[in-house]
Amino acid sequence: EAGVAQSPRYKIIEKRQSVAFWCNPISGHATLYWYQQILGQGPKLLIQFQNNGVVDDSQLPKDRFSAERLKGVDSTLKIQPAKLEDSAVYLCASSMGPSLYEQYFGPGTRLTVT
Amino acid sequence: AQTVTQSQPEMSVQEAETVTLSCTYDTSESNYYLFWYKQPPSRQMILVIRQEAYKQQNATENRFSVNFQKAAKSFSLKISDSQLGDTAMYFCAFRDTNAGKSTFGDGTTLTVKP
Repeated sequence: EAGVAQSPRYKIIEKRQSVAFWCNPISGHATLYWYQQILGQGPKLLIQFQNNGVVDDSQLPKDRFSAERLKGVDSTLKIQPAKLEDSAVYLCASSMGPSLYEQYFGPGTRLTVT
Repeated sequence: AQTVTQSQPEMSVQEAETVTLSCTYDTSESNYYLFWYKQPPSRQMILVIRQEAYKQQNATENRFSVNFQKAAKSFSLKISDSQLGDTAMYFCAFRDTNAGKSTFGDGTTLTVKP
């Protein structure tokens, strides 16, 4: 079974530029999560999708971050414009459903904003 | 809002010995799920063990077991017969039973020494 795929794996941009990350979850997984993991901290949930609907985006900085899940499968996370404090690893995870179901994590995208 | 606290930023243990990682959380909910995840260096995060709050029996998975104290809001992880491959960052996570939103602690870096 293929795991959660993410691209790119690494990205370096200057502040005020835009960037987009892509995630392909495990086939059949209805729930998709985007997390931000700053160095030395635990993952922080940015947004959670159930199929193609948003379940929670309370910690998503909506003035600069946006996310969508196309047809309930792939998802993209965009930052526009980026700030220095956005430097982090962005993790995508998927699960068959919310709550007790195991979350499977992708390898992450390491973003450096200079 | 839920909070998860891991008070041990770093720990080390000798190979074959036992180590316990601490986690406390704060919530007003009566039913929820708790998880321990492992994030090896430069590798993906994987689930170690999970516990449902309504179950009094502590969860076990081979060399991994938990001590769940609901009244004290404590959820520690015990690793027996530590192996070099257990070297990783360990995250404690709380998940609510409604939308399945997860809150992670800031992690404990465990080093297993030969």
